Amino acid sequence: AQSVTQPDIHITVSEGASLELRCNYSYGATPYLFWYVQSPGQGLQLLLKYFSGDTLVQGIKGFEAEFKRSQSSFNLRKPSVHWSDAAEYFCAVGLYQKVTFGTGTKLQVIP
Amino acid sequence: DGGITQSPKYLFRKEGQNVTLSCEQNLNHDAMYWYRQDPGQGLRLIYYSQIVNDFQKGDIAEGYSVSREKKESFPLTVTSAQKNPTAFYLCASSIIQGTGELFFGEGSRLTVL
Repeated sequence: AQSVTQPDIHITVSEGASLELRCNYSYGATPYLFWYVQSPGQGLQLLLKYFSGDTLVQGIKGFEAEFKRSQSSFNLRKPSVHWSDAAEYFCAVGLYQKVTFGTGTKLQVIP
Repeated sequence: DGGITQSPKYLFRKEGQNVTLSCEQNLNHDAMYWYRQDPGQGLRLIYYSQIVNDFQKGDIAEGYSVSREKKESFPLTVTSAQKNPTAFYLCASSIIQGTGELFFGEGSRLTVL
C-alpha cells in the first residue's frame, strides 16, 4: 500500500539555525511530491512541488526540497529559520489520482 | 482575489443532529475535495468530485454526504451516523484531480456537545 512517513512529530530549532524535515514514501513508481505548511487553525498552503526534472526544487518563504529517488525521500530544508516559520508541515504524494498526506511535523522556533 | 471560502469557521452540534459545512471556490477548478484532520493523523479524504453532479467516496466517507450541483460549490453534510464527528474539516480544490497540488480553504471546526 502507498504510504508517506514523516518520522519527526515535533522539531525544535533556534531562530537562525538551519532546518531539515524528513519525508519518506513507499510507492511502486515516482509520485508527484509536495510540501504544505499549516498555521494553527488555518488551512494548508503549498510550499513547493516536484513533478519531474531538477531534483532540487525551490519554494516560497525560502524553503527548498530535494528528491532522492534512491532513498525514496523528499526532505524539506531551510538555511535559516525565522520565528514566523513555526507551524506544522505536511509532506504529500500524488499518484494514480490519489493523494496521501503524511502525519505532519510540528516546528517550534525558539529565540 | 480567487480562493476557497469555508463557512462556518466554528460549529457546535448536539448529538443526533445533521450539520452542513459550506465550501465555495472562485478558482474555476474542476476538482474539489473534503478532508478531515485529527491531531496526529494527518489529513484523511472524505469525498472528492471531479465534475458537477459527480462525486466519489474517499477513505472515510461513512457518516458523510456531499453534493456538487454547481462547479463553485461542494457542501459537506455530517450526519448523525458519523460516530465521532468532532474534527477540523478542510475543503480543497485542484486544477487537475489527483496530482496533489491542492488549494485549501481556512477550515471549519466542528464540535459535538
